Amino acid sequence: AQKVTQAQTEISVVEKEDVTLDCVYETRDTTYYLFWYKQPPSGELVFLIRRNSFDEQNEISGRYSWNFQKSTSSFNFTITASQVVDSAVYFCALSEAFQGGKLIFGQGTELSVKP
Amino acid sequence: GAVVSQHPSWVICKSGTSVKIECRSLDFQATTMFWYRQFPKQSLMLMATSNEGSKATYEQGVEKDKFLINHASLTLSTLTVTSAHPEDSSFYICSASAGVLYEQYFGPGTRLTVT
Repeated sequence: AQKVTQAQTEISVVEKEDVTLDCVYETRDTTYYLFWYKQPPSGELVFLIRRNSFDEQNEISGRYSWNFQKSTSSFNFTITASQVVDSAVYFCALSEAFQGGKLIFGQGTELSVKP
Repeated sequence: GAVVSQHPSWVICKSGTSVKIECRSLDFQATTMFWYRQFPKQSLMLMATSNEGSKATYEQGVEKDKFLINHASLTLSTLTVTSAHPEDSSFYICSASAGVLYEQYFGPGTRLTVT
């Protein structure tokens, strides 16, 4: 069965600290997609990244970086030099290639960055 | 990226009444639309998948007679909560995709409060 686990419910850091949000997934498919979304207090989901199962290259986008490791079924997200504006709930999600595009979300990690 | 709108952004209704939420893809044709529900401090749960011109496919545990979904055109899907009750109060989010292998774009969400 497909499942996404974000074990960290809440994380609190001080501005400029680095923070890593963990994501572990389960799937029996060999072809799948992994996502990270940010949900600020307004509620609107903000797309951050999509990674397919055949691309294990790490990705960096500004202060954001992602580490995809199939061997441990993990897709972790790191924010470097965190800022107050990074405060939000972050969701990791999984979509299997032949499940009609359905997204299975993790429980979310609420990140609070304090000044 | 593509734009998806939802209307209304928030609605308050009395118990027993029905409420219709619209989801529109503004600049692309959405062959597939998804409806999610999110309770406070919880993750997004997929309610149903709708393909243009077909009946919606509901997830297990979602009452199809209570949550009526219509996807009559390539740019519009509607979710009607019939005979709403306070336990239906939630944040409803739609997403739209040009096809099952394509990116999903999320609407801003509709906050429903049933009194």
